[in-house]
Amino acid sequence: AQSVTQPDIHITVSEGASLELRCNYSYGATPYLFWYVQSPGQGLQLLLKYFSGDTLVQGIKGFEAEFKRSQSSFNLRKPSVHWSDAAEYFCAVGASNYGQNFVFGPGTRLSVLP
Amino acid sequence: NAGVTQTPKFQVLKTGQSMTLQCAQDMNHNSMYWYRQDPGMGLRLIYYSASEGTTDKGEVPNGYNVSRLNKREFSLRLESAAPSQTSVYFCASQRAGGNQETQYFGPGTRLLVL
Repeated sequence: AQSVTQPDIHITVSEGASLELRCNYSYGATPYLFWYVQSPGQGLQLLLKYFSGDTLVQGIKGFEAEFKRSQSSFNLRKPSVHWSDAAEYFCAVGASNYGQNFVFGPGTRLSVLP
Repeated sequence: NAGVTQTPKFQVLKTGQSMTLQCAQDMNHNSMYWYRQDPGMGLRLIYYSASEGTTDKGEVPNGYNVSRLNKREFSLRLESAAPSQTSVYFCASQRAGGNQETQYFGPGTRLLVL
């Protein structure tokens, strides 16, 4: 069965600093991998996804993620964090692009210091 | 274009009471989903509907029923609420069209069962 771990429950960074959020997954085949962001009181919004091809994926809001099969990881990065990036971030793994196949990680809460 | 809408936004129930959570989407999507979100656990799939007229169980269906009323609407019913059903409930929808399609989430319903 597939599973996702996000080792960091809460991360605090200063505005303008770089960011890396970790995601590790367990899945037997080539996975579909996703990063979502949830702002306070809002639903989830897709930042980016990977299912094949270039292992470095560009997303919205200046985020990128790199798929590393050897490490079973799909870490999310941003070179310079803005105060508006404060939110909760969820990694998900799936057998396809469709929600019935997803397993979500527990989330990482990002706080941004001015 | 309102996207995915959910009502109510917040509800308090007593143990044993029933209620229906409503979800509607105006994007002509085929698939619709109900998730629950609990602290430290990410999202878990309750039920989904891959197309109008079909529904299937997800990871945590016990204590819930669903109805895909038409292509736009997908409701979630709690027949006899229990404190363990205290959670935030998210509805999502997605077009059936391959790997480029994305899930869109509603703003959520916060449910407290006393």
